[in-house]
Amino acid sequence: DQQVKQNSPSLSVQEGRISILNCDYTNSMFDYFLWYKKYPAEGPTFLISISSIKDKNEDGRFTVFLNKSAKHLSLHIVPSQPGDSAVYFCAASGRSGSARQLTFGSGTQLTVLP
Amino acid sequence: GAGVSQSPSNKVTEKGKDVELRCDPISGHTALYWYRQSLGQGLEFLIYFQGNSAPDKSGLPSDRFSAERTGGSVSTLTIQRTQQEDSAVYLCASSEGLAGNTGELFFGEGSRLTVL
Repeated sequence: DQQVKQNSPSLSVQEGRISILNCDYTNSMFDYFLWYKKYPAEGPTFLISISSIKDKNEDGRFTVFLNKSAKHLSLHIVPSQPGDSAVYFCAASGRSGSARQLTFGSGTQLTVLP
Repeated sequence: GAGVSQSPSNKVTEKGKDVELRCDPISGHTALYWYRQSLGQGLEFLIYFQGNSAPDKSGLPSDRFSAERTGGSVSTLTIQRTQQEDSAVYLCASSEGLAGNTGELFFGEGSRLTVL
């Protein structure tokens, strides 16, 4: 039973365009969400997060949107750059500010084409 | 060290052998996690240590898997009588713990285990 789902295993985008990565969750107790980026042969690194009291959080080229009623969040990258090519994992936590038992999605491989 | 350190980076073993994977978390981080990523899969939670509390072992897939954390720092994940389905990248992560925590985990580069 996947509580965090990333239904697109891969996404290709042209350099300079917008990348939109999607994530759905089923557990209404989740109230803190994070995105991690993973390059090959490296561990995942934290990218951006959002708590349930917000519907948008922006950090430079990266923006995360949260739609609680739809239990859906998305990561927007604009403009996309070739260095953004990586696997992006969505993660959810049941306590605000807690990293305990983060539940991860299966990841989306983003390829930004030059 | 500056980051989470894991060893070995690669381990090839024969079915039925025991393996030990080591994790050295970021100094001062009280929380330590083990995850694994099988081919084509997401990150699967295995076990969580927080300070001196009893570990949360709810993610361990079988009793062949165990982990300990000595002195609140270094952790060892042990897999006994390895099976081919144990082949995966085993990732260790640490964080500052629950107090003031933003939910950010710091991951090591992982230990790739291949069971022949």
